[in-house]
Amino acid sequence: DTAVSQTPKYLVTQMGNDKSIKCEQNLGHDTMYWYKQDSKKFLKIMFSYNNKELIINETVPNRFSPKSPDKAHLNLHINSLELGDSAVYFCASSHFYDGYTFGSGTRLTVV
Amino acid sequence: GENVEQHPSTLSVQEGDSAVIKCTYSDSASNYFPWYKQELGKGPQLIIDIRSNVGEKKDQRIAVTLNKTAKHFSLHITETQPEDSAVYFCATYYSGTYKYIFGTGTRLKVLA
Repeated sequence: DTAVSQTPKYLVTQMGNDKSIKCEQNLGHDTMYWYKQDSKKFLKIMFSYNNKELIINETVPNRFSPKSPDKAHLNLHINSLELGDSAVYFCASSHFYDGYTFGSGTRLTVV
Repeated sequence: GENVEQHPSTLSVQEGDSAVIKCTYSDSASNYFPWYKQELGKGPQLIIDIRSNVGEKKDQRIAVTLNKTAKHFSLHITETQPEDSAVYFCATYYSGTYKYIFGTGTRLKVLA
């Protein structure tokens, strides 16, 4: 059973489109995260939810909107995609103060 | 401010040799220090962690040491194998912000 699963694994789309990435965890963790990894492998946090409540909202364009329908799911919606949004997006979960379990990533390519 | 420096950025070792990766952090209130291994095309995976009340922790061929006074912690891999080749990230929990700050990553290559 996959602990943190995110879909899709690959996403190729045109500039200006709107897309969503979904994430689900079956670990019973109370906190979920979205991270962006750029071409140099830097991992930068975007958002974090604890028990469906937004607790971290980094300096991310408001074209990015997270949504947590319940504590096992955290989705990421992106409006008006730009070339610079191309990256690998990772979902992760944890018990609030422990190490993360990451998903396998979604490689987003904007053309 | 929020800062974790990680060195070296790339490291090549012969199979069987040891590898050491070092991270330095700035927040003296940090008290949890995990290390992650990221293989090609996969998400980072937690391989070992240490809390501030412990100076060293070992798990088979990997170990982590922590020097709170100097604010640095290190990952040690002994008897390296080709499957240890990956990108390794350190992280610290940045107090008051509910988030981890990741190091910039070390690409380890183990040469057979």
